Amino acid sequence: AQTVTQSQPEMSVQEAETVTLSCTYDTSENNYYLFWYKQPPSRQMILVIRQEAYKQQNATENRFSVNFQKAAKSFSLKISDSQLGDTAMYFCASSPQGGSEKLVFGKGTKLTVNP
Amino acid sequence: DTAVSQTPKYLVTQMGNDKSIKCEQNLGHDTMYWYKQDSKKFLKIMFSYNNKELIINETVPNRFSPKSPDKAHLNLHINSLELGDSAVYFCASSHQTGSEAFFGQGTRLTVV
Repeated sequence: AQTVTQSQPEMSVQEAETVTLSCTYDTSENNYYLFWYKQPPSRQMILVIRQEAYKQQNATENRFSVNFQKAAKSFSLKISDSQLGDTAMYFCASSPQGGSEKLVFGKGTKLTVNP
Repeated sequence: DTAVSQTPKYLVTQMGNDKSIKCEQNLGHDTMYWYKQDSKKFLKIMFSYNNKELIINETVPNRFSPKSPDKAHLNLHINSLELGDSAVYFCASSHQTGSEAFFGQGTRLTVV
């Protein structure tokens, strides 16, 4: 069974600063995917970044990057130059390579970016 | 040109009623899902369909019945609504197993 744990229910950061959101996971799968989704107050679920477990290189998308530590089963999200529009719930999620129907989410971290 | 669209966005109804939420995706994806997000924001999968076939049913009460007339549509019908059914319901789809899921905008269901 897969589990995803986000240990920070809430975080805040000043505009233009950097913040890191933590995520750990557990899976018995050899091949799997990891994701960070963003849910702003509008409620829409938006994919932020995606990492394939067999790739050692950390994924990056503009101001968003991950620190993927496979042995430690850790998948943290770093947001650089935080913007007010980054205020949202952030969900870490994992799915086995052979079954995205088994996408499992963490409980989320509420991030507030302060002006 | 919305990728995954679900209707309605908001639904307020009385206990005991039957209601449906519709979902359509124009991405050509093979797999569609229904997720429930509770008041604490926890997201949990309810159902998953692949090419109109049910592949996951996560111990959801029988009052919930998904229907997939074709692979672009996955509707959710709920009978005898209860107060505890109040939540946000998300439809999603993905192209192939393991790829990211694309979500609809959610339907906030309130049972009074």
